[in-house]
Amino acid sequence: GAVVSQHPSWVICKSGTSVKIECRSLDFQATTMFWYRQFPKQSLMLMATSNEGSKATYEQGVEKDKFLINHASLTLSTLTVTSAHPEDSSFYICSARPGGDTQYFGPGTRLTVL
Amino acid sequence: QKEVEQNSGPLSVPEGAIASLNCTYSDRGSQSFFWYRQYSGKSPELIMFIYSNGDKEDGRFTAQLNKASQYVSLLIRDSQPSDSATYLCAVPSGGSYIPTFGRGTSLIVHP
Repeated sequence: GAVVSQHPSWVICKSGTSVKIECRSLDFQATTMFWYRQFPKQSLMLMATSNEGSKATYEQGVEKDKFLINHASLTLSTLTVTSAHPEDSSFYICSARPGGDTQYFGPGTRLTVL
Repeated sequence: QKEVEQNSGPLSVPEGAIASLNCTYSDRGSQSFFWYRQYSGKSPELIMFIYSNGDKEDGRFTAQLNKASQYVSLLIRDSQPSDSATYLCAVPSGGSYIPTFGRGTSLIVHP
């Protein structure tokens, strides 16, 4: 149980385009999902906390207009990187919390912006 | 500012030895503590969680919690080369339950 999927697993896009990443909890409902970014050989950086039916809470320094988060249902949250640039290239990982404070991670999405 | 500190390593141990990974945290209100394993290029995978002072064992893994000293550790017995990974300590804050992750400790188990 507690499986989280992400799609796509890998995406390459041109600079200036937008990319949408989906995060789904497959066997549980998640009122809270988290979005992280991880650069090579660095630690996880929390970008935002997403609660179903409400606006996401962004961490300091994360541009909410650039990283659009939508948590439309109890099993789906999406992250859209708008007007992506090469410095946005990173490993984006979502996690979902079925209840309490245990969270389960998706497999991650590797974004490369050319 | 909630802080979770880990030695980045690498920690190198021979196959079959016990690997000991440590984590300290600053928020005295924290009630739950998590250990994740992350292989290179992959996302973190939950290994164990612990809520109460003392030891919790699960197979070759033992989590140890000392709230008075504000540290939590992970012991891996009979270490295998497949245990080579980065181990992340995560501590949700006592108020918001939003987890703070340590930088992770790189473990290398050599044959």
